[in-house]
Amino acid sequence: SQTIHQWPATLVQPVGSPLSLECTVEGTSNPNLYWYRQAAGRGLQLLFYSVGIGQISSEVPQNLSASRPQDRQFILSSKKLLLSDSGFYLCAWSSGVDRGYTFGSGTRLTVV
Amino acid sequence: GDSVTQMEGPVTLSEEAFLTINCTYTATGYPSLFWYVQYPGEGLQLLLKATKADDKGSNKGFEATYRKETTSFHLEKGSVQVSDSAVYFCAGGSYIPTFGRGTSLIVHP
Repeated sequence: SQTIHQWPATLVQPVGSPLSLECTVEGTSNPNLYWYRQAAGRGLQLLFYSVGIGQISSEVPQNLSASRPQDRQFILSSKKLLLSDSGFYLCAWSSGVDRGYTFGSGTRLTVV
Repeated sequence: GDSVTQMEGPVTLSEEAFLTINCTYTATGYPSLFWYVQYPGEGLQLLLKATKADDKGSNKGFEATYRKETTSFHLEKGSVQVSDSAVYFCAGGSYIPTFGRGTSLIVHP
């Protein structure tokens, strides 16, 4: 069966520090991978998606970046965090638009 | 582009009450439609889906019917339980789904 792992679960980082969140999928190959951010009381904002190794599409210009160094690994990064980067970050994978997403358990990021 | 609008919450019900959470969509083509549920501190879980008009998705007593004529995908449950308390998200799209803002459901004993 397919599983998705996302870590860390919580993170407190000072403003200006770097960020690296990792997401891995097991039990499938060539998944579509996604990073979302969920702000309090708001819906999900799509940040990045990837349909293959090295292929990254950015939905929202900001100081975050994403990389896909391996087929089932998706990394969200920042060189210098801002206070506005605080939020709940969710990784998800899908095998097709009509299959729906499987989400990771999320990372609660607080920038102080 | 595609968009999804769902009713704002919170929705507060007593146990065993009937639940409806409205969701409407705007899309070109024929989007797939989904309902997800999020329990506190967790990621979203796919609750049910429908991929074409008149399809009914169902799971754990929840149902939603893809109504093309009204561009709607309302979530219903005949008798809610305290354990159903969560945030529910409607989503839809032809390529990458767009999510609604979420509706918080609170069920009291």
